[in-house]
Amino acid sequence: GAVVSQHPSWVICKSGTSVKIECRSLDFQATTMFWYRQFPKQSLMLMATSNEGSKATYEQGVEKDKFLINHASLTLSTLTVTSAHPEDSSFYICSARDLEVMNTEAFFGQGTRLTVV
Amino acid sequence: GQNIDQPTEMTATEGAIVQINCTYQTSGFNGLFWYQQHAGEAPTFLSYNVLDGLEEKGRFSSFLSRSKGYSYLLLKELQMKDSASYLCAVRDRDDYKLSFGAGTTVTVRA
Repeated sequence: GAVVSQHPSWVICKSGTSVKIECRSLDFQATTMFWYRQFPKQSLMLMATSNEGSKATYEQGVEKDKFLINHASLTLSTLTVTSAHPEDSSFYICSARDLEVMNTEAFFGQGTRLTVV
Repeated sequence: GQNIDQPTEMTATEGAIVQINCTYQTSGFNGLFWYQQHAGEAPTFLSYNVLDGLEEKGRFSSFLSRSKGYSYLLLKELQMKDSASYLCAVRDRDDYKLSFGAGTTVTVRA
């Protein structure tokens, strides 16, 4: 199956700093990638839809100036958590769809555990 | 939007069968997915239904009834490693977004 690589798998940062998370599709092209956040014992909540070459679409309640998304190529999307605070500590997961296989599942990255201290 | 409901927890014995139900209400439907997620890990794909009926994949089967807004995931011959959270997700017809249910934590006991 298709592979989506997410990096880093975990990160600890100080409050007020910024953290960048990368999501790469390794063996397929993805015009669309999705970013999710998951708090402990809760389900995945979609944060934004990342579109190659255009602005991301954010879900209601997600601050676009705080969670910066850049989808510079068909294989890479980045999520930057700016001025991170302890309440941003969460599990962040990306997913991507294979352009050539439309009617199938999205593939997930390994996830990034962010801890803000 | 989507409204997806599934039970919070289920417990079963090793070797038994467990059925996880999922009901949904959606403005646009383009498939229902089941994912397995172990603690601290990303979800892994289990099954996909877009037409009514049963899809079987080894020990796992998934059923869909679009008219009833209902699906179930059937886990047979349960093994200890099946202890995990199982997520029901519905894909929107127009933008291909996945909306997830809260997940069902399945605990398999010896």
